[in-house]
Amino acid sequence: DIQMTQSPSSLSASVGDRVTITCQASQDISNYLNWYQQKPGKAPKLLIYDASNLETGVPSRFSGSGSGTDFTFTISSLQPEDIATYYCQQYDNLPPGMYTFGQGTKLEIK
Amino acid sequence: EVQLVESGGGLVQPGRSLRLSCAASGFTFDDYAMHWVRQAPGKGLEWVSGISWNSGSIGYADSVKGRFTISRDNAKNSLYLQMNSLRAEDTALYYCAKPCGGSCFDYWGQGTLVTVSS
Repeated sequence: DIQMTQSPSSLSASVGDRVTITCQASQDISNYLNWYQQKPGKAPKLLIYDASNLETGVPSRFSGSGSGTDFTFTISSLQPEDIATYYCQQYDNLPPGMYTFGQGTKLEIK
Repeated sequence: EVQLVESGGGLVQPGRSLRLSCAASGFTFDDYAMHWVRQAPGKGLEWVSGISWNSGSIGYADSVKGRFTISRDNAKNSLYLQMNSLRAEDTALYYCAKPCGGSCFDYWGQGTLVTVSS
């Protein structure tokens, strides 16, 4: 099974800061990597799909990059409403697919 | 508007069974595979199971294999999860999730809470 290592597990930053979260896969997953935002008491929300594509309606301060085993999620200028837990998620290419989430990164405002 | 509404959760004793349902609307249900994802209290997300559009291909996480059974009824736009031999570690909020057509999940229900405790 493919393992996902997401870091850091928690992060404290100031409004306006650039924030970066990384996710590493245990083997090549091409660009089958997605990023979600989850606020307390809410379902996860898709932000980035296929490593670098911004989901419709998601602010452009969110971005993703990477391929193969190493991936990065970036918030270019942190806003108060971005306080949430962020997860990466990979897809193992077997129909209907095996999916693995990273451990999550809890983002707080300093 | 896509809607996914889960139901069937509750408090159940270890070793007993429970059946979850997910009612889907706002999209062509039988065009998509469907999935269950769970989240234990205060913990991260865990993919549980997925089923292809025609039920011809099914997958399970190792943690539930042999105990849980996923199914769907395209005529009723519904997804199900039969959970047998429940354990305390199955306690979680269970989400129904629609895939985006690729490797992601673009719509999620609000979840149904399953608590396994004596």
